[in-house]
Amino acid sequence: DAKTTQPTSMDCAEGRAANLPCNHSTISGNEYVYWYRQIHSQGPQYIIHGLKNNETNEMASLIITEDRKSSTLILPHATLRDTAVYYCIVRASNTGTASKLTFGTGTRLQVTL
Amino acid sequence: EAGVVQSPRYKIIEKKQPVAFWCNPISGHNTLYWYLQNLGQGPELLIRYENEEAVDDSQLPKDRFSAERLKGVDSTLKIQPAELGDSAVYLCASSLRTGVLADQETQYFGPGTRLLVL
Repeated sequence: DAKTTQPTSMDCAEGRAANLPCNHSTISGNEYVYWYRQIHSQGPQYIIHGLKNNETNEMASLIITEDRKSSTLILPHATLRDTAVYYCIVRASNTGTASKLTFGTGTRLQVTL
Repeated sequence: EAGVVQSPRYKIIEKKQPVAFWCNPISGHNTLYWYLQNLGQGPELLIRYENEEAVDDSQLPKDRFSAERLKGVDSTLKIQPAELGDSAVYLCASSLRTGVLADQETQYFGPGTRLLVL
């Protein structure tokens, strides 16, 4: 699986949009970009995933660049409950080991008043 | 719907003692995972089950770690004997694999068991 690079930490004011970047310059054509987050003392929680088109769900939006070498997770209106470590993961889609999620160290997002 | 249940939530043991962790996946989920998470790091896969079969255990230290998933539902992860370096959070996740493509599968994680070996 391709490696990802994320900033170690970010701050965001409550109510503002949180934009979390991720670089995955070695991504392959059959690899998806997944985002999970982990709130303190909890297990990771799925947020969103995409292949090449932008995606949106009730939690967030995922913007993937045209060359697919980077992406941005957008939390449109961050709240204190969004304070967590956010993991960007690149995952193959069509092999037996595709179920494996390879987590990095993620971005620690701190939402403040 | 209940999520992935793990017990105990916390465990403190002395080194060289055995320890076991239990996981009850989401009802109907056929795939179960055990992950290890060290402090400040992301989770790392230890073993993956599809129903009762371990299909990926390449990262499981088999000299001291063992796992089982009898009847393809609940699972137990055991360490015997525990070492100081085993102090970590042990996470269980489950998913429903409905096809070949992994994008059809979302993993749901339990809260984890925090192990401290003294």
